[in-house]
Amino acid sequence: GAVVSQHPSWVICKSGTSVKIECRSLDFQATTMFWYRQFPKQSLMLMATSNEGSKATYEQGVEKDKFLINHASLTLSTLTVTSAHPEDSSFYICSARDRFMGGSPYEQYFGPGTRLTVT
Amino acid sequence: QQQVKQSPQSLIVQKGGISIINCAYENTAFDYFPWYQQFPGKGPALLIAIRPDVSEKKEGRFTISFNKSAKQFSLHIMDSQPGDSATYFCAASLNFGNEKLTFGTGTRLTIIP
Repeated sequence: GAVVSQHPSWVICKSGTSVKIECRSLDFQATTMFWYRQFPKQSLMLMATSNEGSKATYEQGVEKDKFLINHASLTLSTLTVTSAHPEDSSFYICSARDRFMGGSPYEQYFGPGTRLTVT
Repeated sequence: QQQVKQSPQSLIVQKGGISIINCAYENTAFDYFPWYQQFPGKGPALLIAIRPDVSEKKEGRFTISFNKSAKQFSLHIMDSQPGDSATYFCAASLNFGNEKLTFGTGTRLTIIP
């Protein structure tokens, strides 16, 4: 149980184009999803927190107009990188928290990640 | 004050040995401390987690030791195996994990035969 999928697993796009990454909770409902970015051999950097049905909360320094996040349902959140540039090339990882997990702690389940390469 | 410092950056341990990774935090309000294992090209997976009301938690070969007064916690991997070779991240959160995770910088562990 508690499986999170991401699609695509890797994508190559040309500079100036937009790319959408999907994050799905397959066997649970997630009121909250998180989007991270990870550069090679570095730690995960939280980009934004996404709550179902409301606007995402972006971390300081993350451009909300460039990284569009939509959490339209309890099982799907999307990250759209708009007007991508080579410096946006990175490993993007989402995580989701189970809506119905009783008590604490509130475990986050991570997706397998999406490798984005902008040429 | 939100930082979590992790050491060492890389670690090489012989098969069968004990791998020890340390983390330190500043924010005394943190109340949930998980450890994640990440293989190349994959997302992190939760290994084990602890709350500050206990000093140690063991699950199989993995043990978390927690020192609240020193604001430090560590991961011990007993009988380390080549399959344990991965990057390990400590993290901390508020509200028993209900808030965002603050990750350490990661430790690349290599287990040699």
